[in-house]
Amino acid sequence: AQTVTQSQPEMSVQEAETVTLSCTYDTSESDYYLFWYKQPPSRQMILVIRQEAYKQQNATENRFSVNFQKAAKSFSLKISDSQLGDAAMYFCAFGSNDYKLSFGAGTTVTVRA
Amino acid sequence: DSGVTQTPKHLITATGQRVTLRCSPRSGDLSVYWYQQSLDQGLQFLIHYYNGEERAKGNILERFSAQQFPDLHSELNLSSLELGDSALYFCASSVTGMETQYFGPGTRLLVL
Repeated sequence: AQTVTQSQPEMSVQEAETVTLSCTYDTSESDYYLFWYKQPPSRQMILVIRQEAYKQQNATENRFSVNFQKAAKSFSLKISDSQLGDAAMYFCAFGSNDYKLSFGAGTTVTVRA
Repeated sequence: DSGVTQTPKHLITATGQRVTLRCSPRSGDLSVYWYQQSLDQGLQFLIHYYNGEERAKGNILERFSAQQFPDLHSELNLSSLELGDSALYFCASSVTGMETQYFGPGTRLLVL
């Protein structure tokens, strides 16, 4: 079974600054996908970014980017120019051909004005 | 708005009762997934259906069952409810199998 570890329960960032959330995973598979989901106070799960394991290039979506280190099994999320609306819980998730997503415990991001 | 709909939004019931949660996937999606989010267990995969057939099972209790209908909507049935079943239940959908899963708004279940 795959395990996903998010070692930072909480992170705080000043508005307009940058914050990086860490995620590590454990798998013996070679073909898989990694995701970051955002869960604001509304509890909706919103896709932030996706990375295919076979792609060497790190995914980027506007102010969100990842640092994918396949050999180290590390998948961190960088939020640049943080905004008040970025405040939420962020979940790292692992998916492969068993069709399920395995989630980390989540990191709560607080944005200070 | 992900395009995935779930009803009801909230559900309050008593121990021992049975409830049904409903999910409609995004237009064109054939796969439906159910997840449970609780304070002590985090986000847990329950079950996956593809075009009406069960494809994968996770940590789903025997008291829980699901099905996907010909119109592709899905229902999650929870019976003999216990206090510990109180959680947020999410449905997600994707086109076929391993693509991005898009989540519905969830159903908050409170068992008293």
